[in-house]
Amino acid sequence: AQKVTQAQTEISVVEKEDVTLDCVYETRDTTYYLFWYKQPPSGELVFLIRRNSFDEQNEISGRYSWNFQKSTSSFNFTITASQVVDSAVYFCALSEANQAGTALIFGKGTTLSVSS
Amino acid sequence: NAGVTQTPKFQVLKTGQSMTLQCAQDMNHEYMSWYRQDPGMGLRLIHYSVGAGITDQGEVPNGYNVSRSTTEDFPLRLLSAAPSQTSVYFCASSYSPRDSFRPLHFGNGTRLTVT
Repeated sequence: AQKVTQAQTEISVVEKEDVTLDCVYETRDTTYYLFWYKQPPSGELVFLIRRNSFDEQNEISGRYSWNFQKSTSSFNFTITASQVVDSAVYFCALSEANQAGTALIFGKGTTLSVSS
Repeated sequence: NAGVTQTPKFQVLKTGQSMTLQCAQDMNHEYMSWYRQDPGMGLRLIHYSVGAGITDQGEVPNGYNVSRSTTEDFPLRLLSAAPSQTSVYFCASSYSPRDSFRPLHFGNGTRLTVT
């Protein structure tokens, strides 16, 4: 069975601190997709990144970076120099290859609070 | 493009009432799905559809029905609402994943309260 675990329920940091959100997944598929979504206080879900299981390259986008390690089944998300606008709930998600991007299994989310 | 449109945004029902949550997308997406979000539970898949006329169950399908008569619409029906169905419901859509590297698009959600 597929499962996504985000062990950190809540994280609080002060602006400009770096913060890493952990994501550990379980799947029996050899081909799968991993995602991160952001849900700000306004409630909408914002897509951040999608990763294929056969692409272990790390990704950097501005202050955001993602570390994908198949050996540990982890897909961690780091925000560098955090800002108040980063305050949100962050979800990690997984999908099987034949449903890539549609039937997502979500973790329970990590609530990030960034104070000034 | 309006993207994924969900109506209504808020709804209060009494136990036993029925209603339909509407979801429409204007992006010609093949895939559509419904999720519910409960505090501390993340999002859980209710039903999904890979194209018009095709639907399938997700993690938590009980108490919900869906149909996909057109590419654009994917309504979610609650036949007899229960307090356990109090939640925020999200509809989502995407292109066929075989075509390109594209994300899932979510609607803005419907907040449903069943008393």
